[in-house]
Amino acid sequence: GEDVEQSLFLSVREGDSSVINCTYTDSSSTYLYWYKQEPGAGLQLLTYIFSNMDMKQDQRLTVLLNKKDKHLSLRIADTQTGDSAIYFCAKPGTGNQFYFGTGTSLTVIP
Amino acid sequence: DAGVIQSPRHEVTEMGQEVTLRCKPISGHNSLFWYRQTMMRGLELLIYFNNNVPIDDSGMPEDRFSAKMPNASFSTLKIQPSEPRDSAVYFCASRTGSLGEKLFFGSGTQLSVL
Repeated sequence: GEDVEQSLFLSVREGDSSVINCTYTDSSSTYLYWYKQEPGAGLQLLTYIFSNMDMKQDQRLTVLLNKKDKHLSLRIADTQTGDSAIYFCAKPGTGNQFYFGTGTSLTVIP
Repeated sequence: DAGVIQSPRHEVTEMGQEVTLRCKPISGHNSLFWYRQTMMRGLELLIYFNNNVPIDDSGMPEDRFSAKMPNASFSTLKIQPSEPRDSAVYFCASRTGSLGEKLFFGSGTQLSVL
């Protein structure tokens, strides 16, 4: 199966930028996704990038994809306390399967 | 669309009892997934269906777990008998089969087995 790995924890001060990293082993996917899970809630799609792109920007969010190194990152500019959550990277696999990373718990310190 | 709907939102039961979790996927989605989330193991895929047919159930922990999808708009995950180590949040998710289509999650069922 696919291995999708993330660091478990990240702590930043309010107003700073956050960078959440993800590495994967199988480069066959056409899309890669970032999901956000707030406390007590399900996972919500945050953003995604098509594999023929290197970067995608969406307001405060910037997704960077390095296909050579199989590395995906999510940058949150001007991080707010409402950004505190668990962030999962995800990629489709064979047979409609989805592979999720371990999740990175982001804590924003006021 | 109301999104993926799961019920109940919370379930508290005693060890040995049967537990049934329910899911209604988004209309038109033909793939449905059951996940379990715990602090220790993170997000685990239990089973998924394509067009109501179970495709991969290798994540189902043991024979006490079973899942069905009798039609395109309903699925159940049953645990019988339940054990305290089954306590977790169980998520249902659905998507279309199209390339690049995203996975949409329900709000989850928080299961506590005492």
